[in-house]
Amino acid sequence: DAGVIQSPRHEVTEMGQEVTLRCKPISGHDYLFWYRQTMMRGLELLIYFNNNVPIDDSGMPEDRFSAKMPNASFSTLKIQPSEPRDSAVYFCASSSLYEQGTNTLVAKNIQYFGAGTRLSVL
Amino acid sequence: KQEVTQIPAALSVPEGENLVLNCSFTDSAIYNLQWFRQDPGKGLTSLLLIQSSQREQTSGRLNASLDKSSGRSTLYIAASQPGDSATYLCALDDSGNTPLVFGKGTRLSVIA
Repeated sequence: DAGVIQSPRHEVTEMGQEVTLRCKPISGHDYLFWYRQTMMRGLELLIYFNNNVPIDDSGMPEDRFSAKMPNASFSTLKIQPSEPRDSAVYFCASSSLYEQGTNTLVAKNIQYFGAGTRLSVL
Repeated sequence: KQEVTQIPAALSVPEGENLVLNCSFTDSAIYNLQWFRQDPGKGLTSLLLIQSSQREQTSGRLNASLDKSSGRSTLYIAASQPGDSATYLCALDDSGNTPLVFGKGTRLSVIA
């Protein structure tokens, strides 16, 4: 598997524009997480999904942020309208409670991270 | 609410030195603890994961320990190399496949 794939890697936009970040989780993983990393606050959860259903979106800063997971292989994080304070690195991660061992399923729940999207809002 | 603290925020050591990075947390009821490495401008790479029932995990020159009762974990790096220079993040999972709570990391520089 190619791992968690995020696009774009870099995004530069002007204040007020809509921004859409994309994530393709590892095949077979049933959990997907969106995190945001800033110098001031470090890495913080925005929202996470289980089997495509949002479980906890309490980390979403405000109504300008929305996230969807229309199927098991794709998720989007949208910011509309964007503001300079949204500038950060946005990470997507996926995990599965169990992974295939030699002869059985092994509890793992390791989160695998994408390379991130560096967003700059001017 | 779980809080994770990593001290020091930055560390510089000469090549070859053994070093310890510290992570402390406020709630000992955790599911697992992970140590990640992050290179500048890059994503996170999982180094070691310690399940709640374990005391330590080893991978090559890295050894991570977990003491839930005291709310502490350490990452020991033996014979440090310039290639070890990166930011090291500690993260906790409270109940399994829940969002990770991260420390702010320790930025390590190994000087040749």
